[in-house]
Amino acid sequence: DIVMTQSPDSLAVSLGGRATINCKSSQGVFFSSNNKYYIAWYQQKPGQPPKLLIYWASTRESGVPDRFSGGGSGTDFTLTISDLQAEDVAVYYCQQYYKTPQTFGQGTKVEIK
Amino acid sequence: EVRLVQSGAEVKKPGESLRISCKASGYNFADYWIAWVRQMPGSGLEWLGVIYPGDSDTRYSPSFQGHVTISTDKSFNTAYLQWSSLKASDTAMYYCARQQQVEVGSVTHKAWFDPWGQGTLVSVSS
Repeated sequence: DIVMTQSPDSLAVSLGGRATINCKSSQGVFFSSNNKYYIAWYQQKPGQPPKLLIYWASTRESGVPDRFSGGGSGTDFTLTISDLQAEDVAVYYCQQYYKTPQTFGQGTKVEIK
Repeated sequence: EVRLVQSGAEVKKPGESLRISCKASGYNFADYWIAWVRQMPGSGLEWLGVIYPGDSDTRYSPSFQGHVTISTDKSFNTAYLQWSSLKASDTAMYYCARQQQVEVGSVTHKAWFDPWGQGTLVSVSS
């Protein structure tokens, strides 16, 4: 199985600040035929199901605010939340869909400082 | 609007059987994979398996193979997750999610999960 490792496990950021979450895959998740990284990011607020934020490592889902951005290459990926708002308090998960089983990172909890 | 609506919370005893459901609407049910994901209390997301309603092709995570069964009923646009003998360690929230798919040349790749059902809480205790 591809192991997805996120860091940090939690972070506290001031309102209006920037949060950066890292995700490392244990093997490559790049498919050369379409030049894509098979990485998604989800946001899960308390008591709610996960919500898709980013796919193809950097493509923002429709309706997701542009303060959320994804990036990275190789086996290292990031989710950045700029201008953090109170409603961004949540746990964030990365996922690889390159191979079955499609594994998730352990999650990163984002709080307000 | 694409929606997945799951069945309600369940309270069971160890050794009992259970089937929970995930009803899809707003799209052609047969054309998209449906995945099941477990979230134990205070923990992260674990992929259990996935099924393609069009032909019932099913894949399981090795960690869950043999302990759960995934199925569908196309006439009801519904996917199911079932246990024949529950354990206390099955206590968790279970989510279904529609899996997007993309064409790469002549090959179809499974992709991200969207949308998700609201979740079904399963509690197993003696």
